[in-house]
Amino acid sequence: QQPVQSPQAVILREGEDAVINCSSSKALYSVHWYRQKHGEAPVFLMILLKGGEQKGHDKISASFNEKKQQSSLYLTASQLSYSGTYFCGTEIGTDKLIFGTGTRLQVFP
Amino acid sequence: GAVVSQHPSWVICKSGTSVKIECRSLDFQATTMFWYRQFPKQSLMLMATSNEGSKATYEQGVEKDKFLINHASLTLSTLTVTSAHPEDSSFYICSARDHSGRSDTQYFGPGTRLTVL
Repeated sequence: QQPVQSPQAVILREGEDAVINCSSSKALYSVHWYRQKHGEAPVFLMILLKGGEQKGHDKISASFNEKKQQSSLYLTASQLSYSGTYFCGTEIGTDKLIFGTGTRLQVFP
Repeated sequence: GAVVSQHPSWVICKSGTSVKIECRSLDFQATTMFWYRQFPKQSLMLMATSNEGSKATYEQGVEKDKFLINHASLTLSTLTVTSAHPEDSSFYICSARDHSGRSDTQYFGPGTRLTVL
C-alpha cells in the first residue's frame, strides 16, 4: 500500500536537475509532496488534486498522472537548500496520507 | 501557512513509564489530526487518526492500548505512550488538516523525539 519512490537516493552538483518519481498500486485521489531535513518535520511543497495537473513554484514542479497512478517531482537548477529527503504522500479515498518510501537528495557545491 | 505545534520537542524517560505528547493547531480548527512515527532513515508511518469527540482509528499493527489518543478539542490532540520500552524510541510527528477552504493541506508539527532508556 505504501507508494514506492525512485530513485532511493540522488547526488547532485549545484545547478543540476533531478526527477523523483512516486508510484502507487492503488488509485490516487491526490498527491502531496514534502521535503524533510534531518531531525525536522516534513515541510509541505505542493499538492496535486487532479489527474493531469501540473504545478510549480520557483524551480520545483510536479505532475500527476492519475491513470498511471504516478506523480513526479522536478527539481530544476538545484540549490544547496534542496538537500533533504523527499516524500510523496498519497490519499486513497480517505483523509489519510500514506507516505512513500522516500528519496534522499544531496546537493554539493 | 497554518501552524501546528508539538510539546515536548524531546523527551527521555525510563522504561515502564508513560509519556504524553501534545499536538495543537494554533490558527485553525482541526476535527481530524494524525499521528505518525518515524524511525531513523525510514519513512513516516501513520499510526492513527485522531477524531475530535470520538475514538481514534488505529492503523493495522498499532496497539491502541499502548498508544492512547485523546482529541478533546478542535485544536488539541494528545498521544500517550504507556509503559514505554526502548523499542518505542522514535520520532513522533502529528499533523492536522486545514479544511478552511484556503487550502486542503496537511500541516505537520515539529515532531517529538522520544528516547526510552
